[in-house]
Amino acid sequence: EVQVVESGGGLIQPGGSLRLSCAASGFTVSSNYMTWVRQAPGKGLEWVSVLYSGGNTYYADSVKGRFTISRDNSKNTVYLQMNSLRAEDTAVYYCARETPGEPMDVWGQGTTVTVSS
Amino acid sequence: QLVLTQSPSASASLGASVNLTCTLSSGLNSYAIAWHKQQPEKGPRYLMKVNSDGSHSKGDGIPDRFSGSSSGAERYLTISSLQSEDEADYYCQTWGTGIRIFGGGTKLTVL
Repeated sequence: EVQVVESGGGLIQPGGSLRLSCAASGFTVSSNYMTWVRQAPGKGLEWVSVLYSGGNTYYADSVKGRFTISRDNSKNTVYLQMNSLRAEDTAVYYCARETPGEPMDVWGQGTTVTVSS
Repeated sequence: QLVLTQSPSASASLGASVNLTCTLSSGLNSYAIAWHKQQPEKGPRYLMKVNSDGSHSKGDGIPDRFSGSSSGAERYLTISSLQSEDEADYYCQTWGTGIRIFGGGTKLTVL
């Protein structure tokens, strides 16, 4: 079965760091584009970052310089390292697969990040 | 600038049909979009890709009741024979090199 499973969310103080994981099964992350999308409480979907199969990475302006997307091919897992966290980063974070040139077609169930003192 | 515009809400009766609209910003008529469905407290689910020529390709397991079409800068999602489980938020999404954009979402209520 093709699926992705996110983990690593939790409660973190402002200024802190957290690393989210996205474990994939049924496909190879390195052959696809992998995306992180977040959803703040009561709000819509917001794109965060994408990692291309060739290794290029891109970020939304709201997280640029603070978040880093990466992958471990041996674990077939994608990560989102989040530093200097702010209250406005509080959201459910979803991982999604994209076949190159195509839209996000496999979504996870999400992991919740709460930034609060 | 890449912007997608959706009406915040829509409603239709059980068994009826509904059209949801996603409008691409000016000059972007050639872009394809995707439709995603999100039920309360669940992750999004990919429904389909809609191309500028009106053709569409659906995700695995998406019923025939769901279809897509295009006209100019507008992309449509049509749901026929509405069922209670169709009540959800529907998001359109598009993409370019290094960027992905979501519309604000349409909350569909099934009466």
